[in-house]
Amino acid sequence: QVQLVQSGAEVKKPGASVKVSCKASGYSFSNYYMHWVRQAPGQGLEWMGIINPSGGSTSYAQQFQGRVTLTRDTSTNTVYMELSSLRFEDTAVYYCARNYGSGSQGYWGQGTLVIVSS
Amino acid sequence: SYVLTQSPSVSVAPGQTARITCGGNNIASKSVHWYQQRPGQAPVLVVYDDSDRPSGIPERFSGSNSANTATLTISRVEAGDEADYYCQVWNSSRVWVFGGGTKLTVL
Repeated sequence: QVQLVQSGAEVKKPGASVKVSCKASGYSFSNYYMHWVRQAPGQGLEWMGIINPSGGSTSYAQQFQGRVTLTRDTSTNTVYMELSSLRFEDTAVYYCARNYGSGSQGYWGQGTLVIVSS
Repeated sequence: SYVLTQSPSVSVAPGQTARITCGGNNIASKSVHWYQQRPGQAPVLVVYDDSDRPSGIPERFSGSNSANTATLTISRVEAGDEADYYCQVWNSSRVWVFGGGTKLTVL
């Protein structure tokens, strides 16, 4: 069965960077795009970006351009989301989610809480 | 950028039908996906491509999309359906957009 297992919670200071991992199993890793979505406390879902694990191409939401980088390691079936220049408002749960039909996100990781605090 | 508008809340009695709407300019030209999110849990895809259901999603969940409004319909609502619901579309250049979410309360 499809499983996405994310790395553990992080506490970072403003201005720092955070790198969250998402290890995939139960399917052919290179065949499905992976999305990243975040959710600030009490807020809605916010789409951040997408990576093609096959070739590594990426696309990012405009509000994250220049601060977010998605990468992948095909040897370990893992995708990474790195967010730099962290601000207090980046405090959120970050999810990876595998592509399903027509670009929907049908399988989700358990989420990783990132807290930005001085 | 493309904006999806959802009502903040919908309330319905058990056994009744809940309709959650998602407004967007000519949204009928796009494929709409719907997610359910219970408190403290990751979202779950309940409808994709306007009206298709992933395996394991009850037939009580259905979707439609016309003109400027997409609708998620939940028939015979149960207490366990109480959750936040989000619509989503692919905008362009591989960019996806979520609506603001609707909180479904089962009375």
